[in-house]
Amino acid sequence: QQQVKQSPQSLIVQKGGISIINCAYENTAFDYFPWYQQFPGKGPALLIAIRPDVSEKKEGRFTISFNKSAKQFSLHIMDSQPGDSATYFCAASRRTNFGNEKLTFGTGTRLTIIP
Amino acid sequence: DAGVIQSPRHEVTEMGQEVTLRCKPISGHDYLFWYRQTMMRGLELLIYFNNNVPIDDSGMPEDRFSAKMPNASFSTLKIQPSEPRDSAVYFCASNRGRRNEQFFGPGTRLTVL
Repeated sequence: QQQVKQSPQSLIVQKGGISIINCAYENTAFDYFPWYQQFPGKGPALLIAIRPDVSEKKEGRFTISFNKSAKQFSLHIMDSQPGDSATYFCAASRRTNFGNEKLTFGTGTRLTIIP
Repeated sequence: DAGVIQSPRHEVTEMGQEVTLRCKPISGHDYLFWYRQTMMRGLELLIYFNNNVPIDDSGMPEDRFSAKMPNASFSTLKIQPSEPRDSAVYFCASNRGRRNEQFFGPGTRLTVL
């Protein structure tokens, strides 16, 4: 059962443009929604995260938009740069009985920024 | 801090052989996670530990897979016998307490011929 659906699978954006990646989740118990960035040959690294008590979070050129009623969230990259070319994963998690949060990842979006 | 350390970085083996992947989490982190990444299935959580105790192994695909954490600074993921469909990149990640950010290692690329 895929609990976090991510689209598109791949995305090509011109330098300076806006990159938008979308995710939808099913489990209403999820209460933490991070985005991870992965460069070739490296492990994923946390980029930005949001909790459902806010509808938007911005860090530099990266913004998460969150729609709780639709159970959707998205990553927007403004003024996209070639260095942003990477694979992006959305994820979601919930508190467990042991207190920590187990991440469920989307399938990833390969973003390519062209000059 | 050296970050999460995984070894080997690449492993090529033949079907039926035993494979052992190793992970050293970040010092002070008490949660350790093993993930598998493939093109078809993306990132899948296999198992995670808290204070060296396995908490959730529901993602372990079958009995051929086993994981141990004998102490706070070392964990292994073993596949015995290995099969071609086990070919993937295996990541180890760790974090501290109730903090959300997981720190990933560089991964081990496993190829089973």
